[in-house]
Amino acid sequence: DQQVKQNSPSLSVQEGRISILNCDYTNSMFDYFLWYKKYPAEGPTFLISISSIKDKNEDGRFTVFLNKSAKHLSLHIVPSQPGDSAVYFCAASEYNNNDMRFGAGTRLTVKP
Amino acid sequence: ETGVTQSPTHLIKTRGQQVTLRCSSQSGHNTVSWYQQALGQGPQFIFQYYREEENGRGNFPPRFSGLQFPNYSSELNVNALELDDSALYLCASTPSGTTASEQFFGPGTRLTVL
Repeated sequence: DQQVKQNSPSLSVQEGRISILNCDYTNSMFDYFLWYKKYPAEGPTFLISISSIKDKNEDGRFTVFLNKSAKHLSLHIVPSQPGDSAVYFCAASEYNNNDMRFGAGTRLTVKP
Repeated sequence: ETGVTQSPTHLIKTRGQQVTLRCSSQSGHNTVSWYQQALGQGPQFIFQYYREEENGRGNFPPRFSGLQFPNYSSELNVNALELDDSALYLCASTPSGTTASEQFFGPGTRLTVL
């Protein structure tokens, strides 16, 4: 029962360009969404989040967009840097519900 | 560096055996969650502990159990290991006063069941 899907296993972009990572969900009860970044041999690190009352949240080079009607969110990284190369997971939960659902991840490679 | 540590880093067991994985989180992090991450998948929620009591459980059988201790450490125990239990096991802790979503993950324990 995969309620959160990341359909692109990998993405490669040139340094300085925009990276767009996509995520779809099926559970309309989800109202809190997060992106995590994971380097090899490390646990996921929280990157940015958005609640369902917003459609955009920005933090420096990272912006998350939420389209509730399409049950779709995306993470934009501008400009992309080689240090951004990692696996990115999107996650979703119902408010105050500890059962957070993760997508399978997208491996981003930023080429110098 | 999240301040969350896990031991051991790697572990090999055989089918039917029992295993205990350990997690140590920072002082003041009174919520700990455990996740199973199979190869090529995202983390799957196993259960959460808050102040030493189970506070929610995912779709995992009872042979997955846990403990949380007053010193902010916790354990994940798995009995009667099966081949499909081979995965990376992550613990994540949450500071008191923040939402459960703002979790700090440890580096994980990779369990291989032969």
